[in-house]
Amino acid sequence: NAGVTQTPKFQVLKTGQSMTLQCAQDMNHEYMSWYRQDPGMGLRLIHYSVGAGITDQGEVPNGYNVSRSTTEDFPLRLLSAAPSQTSVYFCASSYRGAGGSYNEQFFGPGTRLTVL
Amino acid sequence: AQSVSQHNHHVILSEAASLELGCNYSYGGTVNLFWYVQYPGQHLQLLLKYFSGDPLVKGIKGFEAEFIKSKFSFNLRKPSVQWSDTAEYFCAVIPYSGTYKYIFGTGTRLKVLA
Repeated sequence: NAGVTQTPKFQVLKTGQSMTLQCAQDMNHEYMSWYRQDPGMGLRLIHYSVGAGITDQGEVPNGYNVSRSTTEDFPLRLLSAAPSQTSVYFCASSYRGAGGSYNEQFFGPGTRLTVL
Repeated sequence: AQSVSQHNHHVILSEAASLELGCNYSYGGTVNLFWYVQYPGQHLQLLLKYFSGDPLVKGIKGFEAEFIKSKFSFNLRKPSVQWSDTAEYFCAVIPYSGTYKYIFGTGTRLKVLA
């Protein structure tokens, strides 16, 4: 199993450009999420999904869109990049255990994004 | 609002010293609890988790954590740290039901001196 994969690993954008960060998992996990990591702020949830066709906002959703058309893929779209979106972005997936609650998340390797 | 607090932002220890990192959460119901480690330049990896049962859980690399329900705490411990434990450590919770958002603490950066 490849686990959770993310592309690209590095990206430089100019202000106003748009792009899509790709995330895929091969573990058949129903739960997927996107975080941004900034120094001293831990991981902040951008968007998450509990299954194909179901998405919801996290703590910092402004400027980002997501969709979940398949169980495997959960792309993150930056609509009009701003310098404040310079960050490291992590995708993660998880699954429900036998008791119905969610287990640990499996993280991708991250995408380091710089917006000039 | 639900939150996770990690009071130690930066910790510096010498090799063989004992480690305890604090984690407190605010949520009135049942939660699942996790500790993750992030080595420099890498992604988060699970150290250990607690769902129910024995409140003292053991994880990988000699780490353990104790869940104290009355204190809403889930502190991470290691009796003797190594230089290779230099990393950032994150505590996280997810409520057992009702919401599907994992909540992370802001992290503790540990530096172990050889």
